[in-house]
Amino acid sequence: ETGVTQSPTHLIKTRGQQVTLRCSSQSGHNTVSWYQQALGQGPQFIFQYYREEENGRGNFPPRFSGLQFPNYSSELNVNALELDDSALYLCASSSGQTILNTEAFFGQGTRLTVV
Amino acid sequence: GDSVTQMEGPVTLSEEAFLTINCTYTATGYPSLFWYVQYPGEGLQLLLKATKADDKGSNKGFEATYRKETTSFHLEKGSVQVSDSAVYFCALSESNTGNQFYFGTGTSLTVIP
Repeated sequence: ETGVTQSPTHLIKTRGQQVTLRCSSQSGHNTVSWYQQALGQGPQFIFQYYREEENGRGNFPPRFSGLQFPNYSSELNVNALELDDSALYLCASSSGQTILNTEAFFGQGTRLTVV
Repeated sequence: GDSVTQMEGPVTLSEEAFLTINCTYTATGYPSLFWYVQYPGEGLQLLLKATKADDKGSNKGFEATYRKETTSFHLEKGSVQVSDSAVYFCALSESNTGNQFYFGTGTSLTVIP
């Protein structure tokens, strides 16, 4: 049990639609990161939030956006869904601003299928 | 850019066999290196890490040594158990940012009794 909860666990959306994925972190974890894991691939960094501000972004288009709230919850929003967005989306939280000195705890992920 | 290359799986071993999963990396700076494990139906869990050259990370009988000269961080275990069946991910994070992991593609391990 990592203390990081993601919802929903599975989701099916139609191409062109918008989706919001949610993550609930452990209390005191000021940093949350989102990763996309395509089938058979390793997780790819989407972005990180630290104290409600974006603190780094990977190679993903602007239609991927996020929010972090003061209650240690966060959201990943994806607009104009494409078939290639089908993947497992992982949330990770940690207590420090970097993942070098504090452990990052991962949720079980949300499996998004775009049809 | 930064990247991690892992040996491809799947790997199937008999219980008590020796395990090696190869991992090499490319980094622009001075990375920390990690092994994460994903058991069936669960999220990624930190297995071990090393933050500088020649450091050895160890946990639950698994070991990996940070080799700067060969840019490698191979995972080893002397005697695997059925409960070690999982997907193993090698990852790095740069020391100058420390805000993201670069993961390998993962290696699936199945241990049979």
